[in-house]
Amino acid sequence: DAKTTQPPSMDCAEGRAANLPCNHSTISGNEYVYWYRQIHSQGPQYIIHGLKNNETNEMASLIITEDRKSSTLILPHATLRDTAVYYCIVRAIGNSGAGSYQLTFGKGTKLSVIP
Amino acid sequence: DGGITQSPKYLFRKEGQNVTLSCEQNLNHDAMYWYRQDPGQGLRLIYYSQIVNDFQKGDIAEGYSVSREKKESFPLTVTSAQKNPTAFYLCASSRNSNSGNTIYFGEGSWLTVV
Repeated sequence: DAKTTQPPSMDCAEGRAANLPCNHSTISGNEYVYWYRQIHSQGPQYIIHGLKNNETNEMASLIITEDRKSSTLILPHATLRDTAVYYCIVRAIGNSGAGSYQLTFGKGTKLSVIP
Repeated sequence: DGGITQSPKYLFRKEGQNVTLSCEQNLNHDAMYWYRQDPGQGLRLIYYSQIVNDFQKGDIAEGYSVSREKKESFPLTVTSAQKNPTAFYLCASSRNSNSGNTIYFGEGSWLTVV
């Protein structure tokens, strides 16, 4: 899986939009961009994923640049419960075997939502 | 409520003892996985199962064992052969083993050797 680069930490005021960037300049054509978040002592929570089109669900929006080398996760109205470490991951599709289940979590971005 | 349930949340083990971590899912997923997460580290794959009665070793299977007798259950046994078992253990599942499918996680189990 390709490597990703994320800022180590970000602050966001409660009620404002949180925009979390991710660089994945070596992404391949068959790799999805996935976002998870992890609150301390809990399992990672799936947020959203996409291939090349922008995606939106009830939790967030994912904006992927046209060249697919970077993306931004948007939490439209951040709350205190959104304070967590956010991980951007790229995963190849169409693989089989143990490699397809590898989730290479880097250090992520620690988002702090400030009251 | 649908999801993945791991138990216990916290477990203490004496050296030389085997312990079993439970993982149950009611998502009707075919594939299930066990990962280990050490503080400040990423996830490492221990075992995975694509279908009932079948499972494969991941990157760090030594000292661990699993079974998959039922679709919804994938227990992990940490044996005394595992030299450094203190860690956060995560069970996960996905609809099938195609790597395009999203992997969902349980809440995790903390194992501490005392």
